[in-house]
Amino acid sequence: SAVISQKPSRDICQRGTSLTIQCQVDSQVTMMFWYRQQPGQSLTLIATANQGSEATYESGFVIDKFPISRPNLTFSTLTVSNMSPEDSSIYLCSVVTNYEQYFGPGTRLTVT
Amino acid sequence: GIQVEQSPPDLILQEGANSTLRCNFSDSVNNLQWFHQNPWGQLINLFYIPSGTKQNGRLSATTVATERYSLLYISSSQTTDSGVYFCAVEPWSGGSNYKLTFGKGTLLTVNP
Repeated sequence: SAVISQKPSRDICQRGTSLTIQCQVDSQVTMMFWYRQQPGQSLTLIATANQGSEATYESGFVIDKFPISRPNLTFSTLTVSNMSPEDSSIYLCSVVTNYEQYFGPGTRLTVT
Repeated sequence: GIQVEQSPPDLILQEGANSTLRCNFSDSVNNLQWFHQNPWGQLINLFYIPSGTKQNGRLSATTVATERYSLLYISSSQTTDSGVYFCAVEPWSGGSNYKLTFGKGTLLTVNP
């Protein structure tokens, strides 16, 4: 398994601002992902964070809105840019070890 | 894309009762995992089970890949079992990219 931490755990932000979420893993991992969970909904994959190259985004998500960094094999950031109330969600990072996917505790974002 | 359907959407049990949760998927898969999201939002990895049967304490899971379904059994339920149970699959693609598609979940409430 893997121990994953995220910062911040929650935040309340103003419309039009940006928030950067950090994800730290206790071991080096190749595969790292960012997911979004809108209120009362299931999880949706935003992007795959690739070390040393650009992130790969899923349909409906774009780099300008959700820029991602992956500077090394234990760390990644997701920025939610120019926020609107529709961005209010839980954002979760995940990693793969031994074929299984493990999730961080999530960042609960509220945009007012 | 692949469709993942979970049933029932909601389930209310008395403590001590047994239950079966079902996950149907529309196409072949590389990977299938069951998660429990507790009331604080943390996703807990229950089983990695692309095929076969596994047991862990009061929980067990069976995936019949040829018939495209998986079952999660909870025996002697406890109030701490409450939360949302998600089934997530990685569609078959000839290789592994570990991108999970989640079902909508089953909301389980266990009353004392």
